[in-house]
Amino acid sequence: DVVMTQSPLSLPVTLGQPASISCRSSQSLIYSDGNTYLNWFQQRPGQSPRRLIYEVSNRDSGVPDRFSGSGSGTDFTLKISRVEAEDVGVYYCMQGTHWPRTFGQGTKVEIK
Amino acid sequence: EVQLLESGGGLVQIGGSLRLSCAASGFTFTSFAMSWVRQAPGKGLEWVSTTGGSTYYADSVKGRFTISRDNSKSTLYLQMNSLRAEDTAVYYCAKTMNFDSWGQGTLVTVSS
Repeated sequence: DVVMTQSPLSLPVTLGQPASISCRSSQSLIYSDGNTYLNWFQQRPGQSPRRLIYEVSNRDSGVPDRFSGSGSGTDFTLKISRVEAEDVGVYYCMQGTHWPRTFGQGTKVEIK
Repeated sequence: EVQLLESGGGLVQIGGSLRLSCAASGFTFTSFAMSWVRQAPGKGLEWVSTTGGSTYYADSVKGRFTISRDNSKSTLYLQMNSLRAEDTAVYYCAKTMNFDSWGQGTLVTVSS
């Protein structure tokens, strides 16, 4: 199975400041069609997960442009340009290239 | 607007069975793969199963869980047999193999 490793696991941030989460996969996530199926999800407290980013860097509909994704191969990053109070929650990366689908451990973002 | 509404969760004894349902609306159900993802209390996300052109299962549920769909009712199912304590979780229905939309979840508690 592809192991997804996130860091840090806890991220205290100051409102208005940037934040960055790293996600590394144990195998390349480049699929045979040339696409890289790396997704990012946000789970606010008490809510269902919501996909923010698909295929490394594409924002889902309604996702604020302060969220951005980057990376390639096995090394990926989610960035929040200026953290807002509503961004508090747990963020997960997930690979959609290989079976079984696997998630990172989650990174808890909280306000300092 | 995509809507996914899970039902069927509850308290069941170890070794028992339960069938979860997910009623979908707001999209052409037949055109998309559908998935189940679970989250044990206080833990991260774990993919369970996906049905599309093919059907896939996590090793932890293979042989015990069966995913199916009724396209005439736009409904996804998860038949869970031989339930174990470690199957206790909130079960989410998600659209596609890369989980672009999620339901609110249904709690399954397996206890003696």
